[in-house]
Amino acid sequence: QVQLVESGGGVVQPGGSLRLSCAASGFTFSSYAIHWVRQAPGKGLEWVAFIRYDGSNKYYADSVKGRFTISRDNSKNTLYLQMNSLRAEDTAVYYCAKGGDLRFLVDYWGQGTLVTVSS
Amino acid sequence: DIQMTQSPSSLSASVGDRVTITCRASQSVSSYLNWYQHKPGKAPQLLIFAVSSLQSGVPSRFSGSGSGTDFTLTISSLQPEDFATYYCQQSYSTPLTFGGGTKVEIK
Repeated sequence: QVQLVESGGGVVQPGGSLRLSCAASGFTFSSYAIHWVRQAPGKGLEWVAFIRYDGSNKYYADSVKGRFTISRDNSKNTLYLQMNSLRAEDTAVYYCAKGGDLRFLVDYWGQGTLVTVSS
Repeated sequence: DIQMTQSPSSLSASVGDRVTITCRASQSVSSYLNWYQHKPGKAPQLLIFAVSSLQSGVPSRFSGSGSGTDFTLTISSLQPEDFATYYCQQSYSTPLTFGGGTKVEIK
């Protein structure tokens, strides 16, 4: 079955950096796009970034563009999110989510990892 | 950006009730409209994709309908395990956007 396991969350000061990882199993990782989606405390879901199956196309939410970078290593079945210049409003649970067969569909999600930006 | 507006933001219902949640897009999303269920501390789960297609393993009491800008999620007979927050999402264009969520609570 599809499994997505996020790691790398924690507490970081404003202006700091953090790299999240997502280990995938149970499907052919190199054949599917992957997304990052986040949920701030008490708020709804917010899409963050997308990367095509081969890494050739990447898209970002305006709120993170220029600060976050999505990447993948298909040889390791792993997705990454490099987060720089972190702000308090980036505090959230970050979910890694597998793309589906339809355009931009998100069909399976991980359990999430919590990122807290605080001094 | 395409704005997604859900209503109601919360509702109270009893086991066995029929529940309807609506979602409106600020512009046409064609048939790229999906519904997710999210329980606290759990991974969100895809229920319905492409307006009305039931994701594998999802009970048939869940159904979706609509077109263009107006969509509906219906739970035909609410079960105890259905108490959760439901989100619509458009996958027509980036940035992908979600509705604000509908929290379904026990009456």
